[in-house]
Amino acid sequence: KAGVTQTPRYLIKTRGQQVTLSCSPISGHRSVSWYQQTPGQGLQFLFEYFSETQRNKGNFPGRFSGRQFSNSRSEMNVSTLELGDSALYLCASSLFGGPGETQYFGPGTRLLVL
Amino acid sequence: EDQVTQSPEALRLQEGESSSLNCSYTVSGLRGLFWYRQDPGKGPEFLFTLYSAGEEKEKERLKATLTKKESFLHITAPKPEDSATYLCAVQAGGGSNYKLTFGKGTLLTVNP
Repeated sequence: KAGVTQTPRYLIKTRGQQVTLSCSPISGHRSVSWYQQTPGQGLQFLFEYFSETQRNKGNFPGRFSGRQFSNSRSEMNVSTLELGDSALYLCASSLFGGPGETQYFGPGTRLLVL
Repeated sequence: EDQVTQSPEALRLQEGESSSLNCSYTVSGLRGLFWYRQDPGKGPEFLFTLYSAGEEKEKERLKATLTKKESFLHITAPKPEDSATYLCAVQAGGGSNYKLTFGKGTLLTVNP
């Protein structure tokens, strides 16, 4: 089975712009979670989507949003970019997002905000 | 709030020198404890899931154990290719919220 894929792998944006990141989960997986990874804060949960609905959300401002399509693919959008948004954005998929289920991560999208 | 603390932050070993990494956690209703390995510039790679105190799992030179308050990742006779950041994460809670809470990781360097 193919793993989780994320596009693009690298992005450079300037402050104030917006960006959209894409994630394709493992075939058959219906839950997609997004995480932000920075050297200072480590991996932090952004949100989780299941059956095209945002089911859970972390403590991030409303500039961070996402959606999921009927084929379980997911996109994440960040509007009005700030310098502090520079990070590795990781997507993870699991079958149903249920208790004890393993989440499998993609390679990430490295975002640099100038 | 769920908390995960990993120690040490960094560990340097000689090839063949066994050691252990620690993951201490405070959660309400543990559903699973996960170990991942992350190489520079890549996404975390799944290693183990532990569900209850006393459980152990092994894979090649790695062995993970779990108690009610912490987990250990034992590395036996490590090789340079074991160099990576090792991340511990817990999944807790109920309802439909089963997000992972991660520790900051342990950067392991194995010198030949």
